[in-house]
Amino acid sequence: GQQLNQSPQSMFIQEGEDVSMNCTSSSIFNTWLWYKQDPGEGPVLLIALYKAGELTSNGRLTAQFGITRKDSFLNISASIPSDVGIYFCAGQLLTGANSKLTFGKGITLSVRP
Amino acid sequence: DAGVTQSPTHLIKTRGQQVTLRCSPKSGHDTVSWYQQALGQGPQFIFQYYEEEERQRGNFPDRFSGHQFPNYSSELNVNALLLGDSALYLCASLPVGHHDYTFGSGTRLTVV
Repeated sequence: GQQLNQSPQSMFIQEGEDVSMNCTSSSIFNTWLWYKQDPGEGPVLLIALYKAGELTSNGRLTAQFGITRKDSFLNISASIPSDVGIYFCAGQLLTGANSKLTFGKGITLSVRP
Repeated sequence: DAGVTQSPTHLIKTRGQQVTLRCSPKSGHDTVSWYQQALGQGPQFIFQYYEEEERQRGNFPDRFSGHQFPNYSSELNVNALLLGDSALYLCASLPVGHHDYTFGSGTRLTVV
């Protein structure tokens, strides 16, 4: 099935650093979402974006919905050890009853103390 | 407030067998979706149930079927299991009129 493009597969940063992750798609979505998944758990929603160009913050997290509706980025500022996990982007094309999520492969973030 | 609960948490089955996974949505949620997450991959949409009917389906064979009950809980059935069906199966529920999914912790299925 289709997956969004997330790279690199892994990122290693020092505690306190900022990190940015991109996500691209060949298809248009009208909603972009960013999830974090910890080992043994399901994905947890971090930020949802509903409008092209929208910039939204949630604490140390900031995400933007690209103008073309085919991309999004997530920034994490002043990273802390609990930021470790897998970060997924997901696109959603809401049309009628259609609300399925299309996910990227995820980026595994490691934070060195 | 319980979130989305799934059972069992882990399961080992033999090739060719059948399996049933269960999901109870979060309180106030009436729509349930199922996703398959293979190791190192993002979740892949299997299907979605609303008002006890399958409303949307991803690219999965007919061996994958589901059901939603009047209390909104759901089951995922997989027949004739293949080794490639080994994955984390995630259930996600939606509240009425919203599109923000809440995911359960998943069922880890291993096919040997």
